[in-house]
Amino acid sequence: RKEVEQDPGPFNVPEGATVAFNCTYSNSASQSFFWYRQDCRKEPKLLMSVYSSGNEDGRFTAQLNRASQYISLLIRDSKLSDSATYLCVVNRAAGNKLTFGGGTRVLVKP
Amino acid sequence: ETGVTQSPTHLIKTRGQQVTLRCSSQSGHNTVSWYQQALGQGPQFIFQYYREEENGRGNFPPRFSGLQFPNYSSELNVNALELDDSALYLCASSLGADFNSPLHFGNGTRLTVT
Repeated sequence: RKEVEQDPGPFNVPEGATVAFNCTYSNSASQSFFWYRQDCRKEPKLLMSVYSSGNEDGRFTAQLNRASQYISLLIRDSKLSDSATYLCVVNRAAGNKLTFGGGTRVLVKP
Repeated sequence: ETGVTQSPTHLIKTRGQQVTLRCSSQSGHNTVSWYQQALGQGPQFIFQYYREEENGRGNFPPRFSGLQFPNYSSELNVNALELDDSALYLCASSLGADFNSPLHFGNGTRLTVT
């Protein structure tokens, strides 16, 4: 089993709709969590950190479920510019290692 | 504020050769990490350097090595190149060694091994 797993998608989303997807992690001692966005043939860019209490940044909401070991990202009122691959990143508490998921591809269509 | 810069942008090498990739960190950042991203996959953590010392390593063989310099710039060296080493190599800088800080990525070096 991979340490961090994501549904590769693509999630085809009508413009203005809501889309949500999860990222599961296997190490229960994982310490910190992030969502990054990567456009085609570009470098990843931080979208948001994921806090235990959940957090929101505009149209984006991130949640952490430690009991079930997953994080989620919800995008409301999807824009064409939200089309990208969304990478989840998990910091394992021991061993000093960051693990990226394989990414979830989102395609927002008019 | 100067962002993360990587050189070269593209490189073609032959199997068995050695390669050195370079990265300048964002101003004010003291930590550099390197990632390998194969097509269609997420980045794989290679290692991280903090204050010129390696302080974390992923599942990569010893032929992947690195350096960090006093100005916090960094090099990734790969010896005895294999075809599977063909990938996008990303460098990221951050502040602090605790793996909790946001990463700022460079544009990457695309390495092709033939």
